[in-house]
Amino acid sequence: GENVEQHPSTLSVQEGDSAVIKCTYSDSASNYFPWYKQELGKGPQLIIDIRSNVGEKKDQRIAVTLNKTAKHFSLHITETQPEDSAVYFCAYSGRSNYQLIWGAGTKLIIKP
Amino acid sequence: EAGVAQSPRYKIIEKRQSVAFWCNPISGHATLYWYQQILGQGPKLLIQFQNNGVVDDSQLPKDRFSAERLKGVDSTLKIQPAKLEDSAVYLCASSPNPGGFDTEAFFGQGTRLTVV
Repeated sequence: GENVEQHPSTLSVQEGDSAVIKCTYSDSASNYFPWYKQELGKGPQLIIDIRSNVGEKKDQRIAVTLNKTAKHFSLHITETQPEDSAVYFCAYSGRSNYQLIWGAGTKLIIKP
Repeated sequence: EAGVAQSPRYKIIEKRQSVAFWCNPISGHATLYWYQQILGQGPKLLIQFQNNGVVDDSQLPKDRFSAERLKGVDSTLKIQPAKLEDSAVYLCASSPNPGGFDTEAFFGQGTRLTVV
């Protein structure tokens, strides 16, 4: 079935360093790949998304890259700050019903 | 702009009891979703409405879960009877575009349900 593997499950980085989270998906027909950030006690919030006709997208300190051949996409956060601490979820639109298929999440910890 | 409102924030019930959750989406948003998020997992779609019609309820356990969206605005999700495995956070989200799967979804804070 459709699924997405997200790694790592936990990532601890020093403040100011970069963080990279990678997701691998199964459906080659997918064309929409969002990343959501979820802070404790809150619902997920979209931080960046990419569509299949683009290989990379950047928004200030956040970037997403997509490799459709290898079926993986990654979130890159540069110059990490304490407020980046949260759980990050990747997702993609699956073939059946076109609903979003979500990863299991990555807990990002920014060490001061 | 007001966000997605959900209530209650927390609910504790005994197994076999019933419970209802309420969601008020962002004004004008056509698409409304209910997700179930079990601790340590990503959200799982339970049901998707476009206006007041159901678009996708393939993962809704229909023997115990029901949902409605009257007049294409507010929505309620009900569980009857609840099981221990229903303990989770129930998230409501809305999206301005019909269909909505490839556009931003705006989430509420969720209702944390504990079944004991």
